[in-house]
Amino acid sequence: DVVMTQSPLSLPVTLGQPASISCRSAQSLVYSDGKTYLSWFQQRPGQSPRRLIYKVSNRDSGVPDRFSGSGSGTDFTLKISRVEAEDIGVYYCMQGTHWPLTFGGGTKVEI
Amino acid sequence: QVQLVESGGALVKPGGSLRVSCAASGFTFSDYYMSWIRQSPEKGLEWLAYINSGGTKIYYADSVKGRFTISRDDAKNSVYLQMNSLRVEDTAVYYCAKADDNGDFFDYWGQGTLVTVSS
Repeated sequence: DVVMTQSPLSLPVTLGQPASISCRSAQSLVYSDGKTYLSWFQQRPGQSPRRLIYKVSNRDSGVPDRFSGSGSGTDFTLKISRVEAEDIGVYYCMQGTHWPLTFGGGTKVEI
Repeated sequence: QVQLVESGGALVKPGGSLRVSCAASGFTFSDYYMSWIRQSPEKGLEWLAYINSGGTKIYYADSVKGRFTISRDDAKNSVYLQMNSLRVEDTAVYYCAKADDNGDFFDYWGQGTLVTVSS
């Protein structure tokens, strides 16, 4: 199984300031079609996960443009340009390149 | 709008069986790949099973292979997870989720249903 390692586990943030979460995979996430199936999810307290980013850097509809994803191969980053109060929650990366699909352990973003 | 509604969660004894369901609406269900994912404090988010459109391709996580069965009924716009030989460590919130038009995973999730395995 492809292990997904997120850091940090906990991320204290200041409203209006940037934040960054790292996700590393144990092997390359480049699929045979040349695409990289790395997604990011946000889970607010008491809610189901919500996808923010797919294929490394594509924002889902309705996701604010302060969220951005980057990276390649085995190293990926989710950035929030200016943290807002509604961004508090746990963020997960997930790889969809190799079976079984695997998630990172999560990063808790808190004030 | 897309809706996924899970049901069927319950308290079950170890070794017991349970079927959870996911009713879909707001999209052409038969065209989309579906998965089950669970979440527990101990293991976090864990993908369990996948079924493609048409039900011809199915994958399972090793942790549930041989015990759990995913199926779909396109006439009822529903996907199911039959869980047998349940263990205490299967205790979790169970979510269904769909893939998007391009096959990228989990653009929509349900609200989850709680399965508790305890004597």
